[in-house]
Amino acid sequence: GQNIDQPTEMTATEGAIVQINCTYQTSGFNGLFWYQQHAGEAPTFLSYNVLDGLEEKGRFSSFLSRSKGYSYLLLKELQMKDSASYLCAVMDSNYQLIWGAGTKLIIKP
Amino acid sequence: GAVVSQHPSWVICKSGTSVKIECRSLDFQATTMFWYRQFPKQSLMLMATSNEGSKATYEQGVEKDKFLINHASLTLSTLTVTSAHPEDSSFYICSARTGESQPQHFGDGTRLSIL
Repeated sequence: GQNIDQPTEMTATEGAIVQINCTYQTSGFNGLFWYQQHAGEAPTFLSYNVLDGLEEKGRFSSFLSRSKGYSYLLLKELQMKDSASYLCAVMDSNYQLIWGAGTKLIIKP
Repeated sequence: GAVVSQHPSWVICKSGTSVKIECRSLDFQATTMFWYRQFPKQSLMLMATSNEGSKATYEQGVEKDKFLINHASLTLSTLTVTSAHPEDSSFYICSARTGESQPQHFGDGTRLSIL
């Protein structure tokens, strides 16, 4: 079966760095996406990785290792507004998105 | 770019009413649109995949006669919840993408409350 694993909840301090991990087992791979979802709102697209390595976009970076079936989202200089759920999603061989359950990130002052 | 508009944002109606939700891609053409449902504190659940000009593909357990999807153009898909009941109350979100390997961009969602 297809499976995406990410921690249910994480807590970090304002100004710090946090890494949210995602491991996956899917039938084929056509890329991995990270989305941010604030409570009561729709998800917003953060990043897309299809090749191994690190993609940096401002305070957010996303890493992919296809051989390990592993990705992480790195958030630097955390701000209170970063409190949200972060969703990992993998596109399988049929170009269908397989969604993780999301990681709720709590930022404390 | 890649803006998706969803309307209405909030619907409250009586049991038995049919409700139509619109999803529009404003600045791109979307060959494929997706409809999701999300209950409080739960994951996104894909309901159906909608391709322009063809019938939608529904996920297992989703009643196609209850959740009618129409994707009449490259910029518009609609979801109609027919004869809605309180258990249909949920957050419904649409998304659209420009191509197979492209990210999905989401509308703002529709909060549906059936009394």
